[in-house]
Amino acid sequence: SQTIHQWPATLVQPVGSPLSLECTVEGTSNPNLYWYRQAAGRGLQLLFYSVGIGQISSEVPQNLSASRPQDRQFILSSKKLLLSDSGFYLCAWSPTGSGANVLTFGAGSRLTVL
Amino acid sequence: EDQVTQSPEALRLQEGESSSLNCSYTVSGLRGLFWYRQDPGKGPEFLFTLYSAGEEKEKERLKATLTKKESFLHITAPKPEDSATYLCAVQAYDSGYALNFGKGTSLLVTP
Repeated sequence: SQTIHQWPATLVQPVGSPLSLECTVEGTSNPNLYWYRQAAGRGLQLLFYSVGIGQISSEVPQNLSASRPQDRQFILSSKKLLLSDSGFYLCAWSPTGSGANVLTFGAGSRLTVL
Repeated sequence: EDQVTQSPEALRLQEGESSSLNCSYTVSGLRGLFWYRQDPGKGPEFLFTLYSAGEEKEKERLKATLTKKESFLHITAPKPEDSATYLCAVQAYDSGYALNFGKGTSLLVTP
């Protein structure tokens, strides 16, 4: 069966510091991968998605970047965090295919920028 | 642009008191409409996918329905363990496979 791992679970970082959140998927190959952010009082906002190694699409201009160095690994990064980067970050995967594909989410990473 | 609006924002029910959550959507071409459940501090958990108007799906005390403009999540005789935030999302043909989420309905079921 497929599983998705996301870490760290909780992170407290000062403004201006770098960020790296990692996500890996097991039990499938060539998944579509996604990074979402959930801020207080707001819905889930799509940040990035990837349909293959090195292929990243950005949905929202921001202080963040994403990379996919391996088929089942997705990394969210920032060189200098802002207060507004605080939130709950969720990685998700879906199978490739032409139908409506269910996204399966990880447990999330809670980021607090102080 | 795809839009998803959920109502109410919050709902409090007594155990056994049935009700419905609403999800109104605007999308150019619907590939699928999804319902998720999210517990505090956790990632969303998939409940249902609906593909076309008139479709219905059930799981335990939950039943999801779909029209051309909205979806309802009916909760029959809820229990306290049904307390969670319920999220609705749409997947459009022209936006790849990403989901566009509403802000959710926070449901509290009291004994």
